[in-house]
Amino acid sequence: GAVVSQHPSWVICKSGTSVKIECRSLDFQATTMFWYRQFPKQSLMLMATSNEGSKATYEQGVEKDKFLINHASLTLSTLTVTSAHPEDSSFYICSARVTGETQYFGPGTRLLVL
Amino acid sequence: SQKIEQNSEALNIQEGKTATLTCNYTNYSPAYLQWYRQDPGRGPVFLLLIRENEKEKRKERLKVTFDTTLKQSLFHITASQPADSATYLCVSTRGSGGSYIPTFGRGTSLIVHP
Repeated sequence: GAVVSQHPSWVICKSGTSVKIECRSLDFQATTMFWYRQFPKQSLMLMATSNEGSKATYEQGVEKDKFLINHASLTLSTLTVTSAHPEDSSFYICSARVTGETQYFGPGTRLLVL
Repeated sequence: SQKIEQNSEALNIQEGKTATLTCNYTNYSPAYLQWYRQDPGRGPVFLLLIRENEKEKRKERLKVTFDTTLKQSLFHITASQPADSATYLCVSTRGSGGSYIPTFGRGTSLIVHP
């Protein structure tokens, strides 16, 4: 149980285009989903917290107009990187939380912006 | 500010030995700490959680301790195997009033040599 999927697993796009990443909890309903970004040899940096049916809460320094988060249901959250640029290239990981302290992570999405 | 610190240097040990990883926290007192394993290009996987009122928690070859005096958690892998090679992340949460904001340490890379 507690499986989280992400799609796509990797994506290459041209600078200026938008990319959408989906995060799904497959066998449970998540009250909260988190989006992280991870650069090589760095830790996970929390970008935003997403609660179903409400606006996402963004961490300081994360542009909410650039990283659009939609949490339309208890099993799906999406992250859209708008007008992507090479500096947005990174490993994006989502996680889901039901209640309690444990997060269940997706496998990650590697984004490369050319 | 609240910080989670892990030794950024890789830990190299011989197969069969016990690996010990350290997590230190500063400027706050977390109610619990979690340890996750992350393999390259993958999302983290939950291993163990220990609460502030617990001195030690075990799961198979894994053991975690929590010393609130030293503000430190130790993560042990006994009888280590090459398959244990990965990055291990210490995670806490910050926030007040019941809010849950994950904070990750940078992670320590463990390399178990056959």
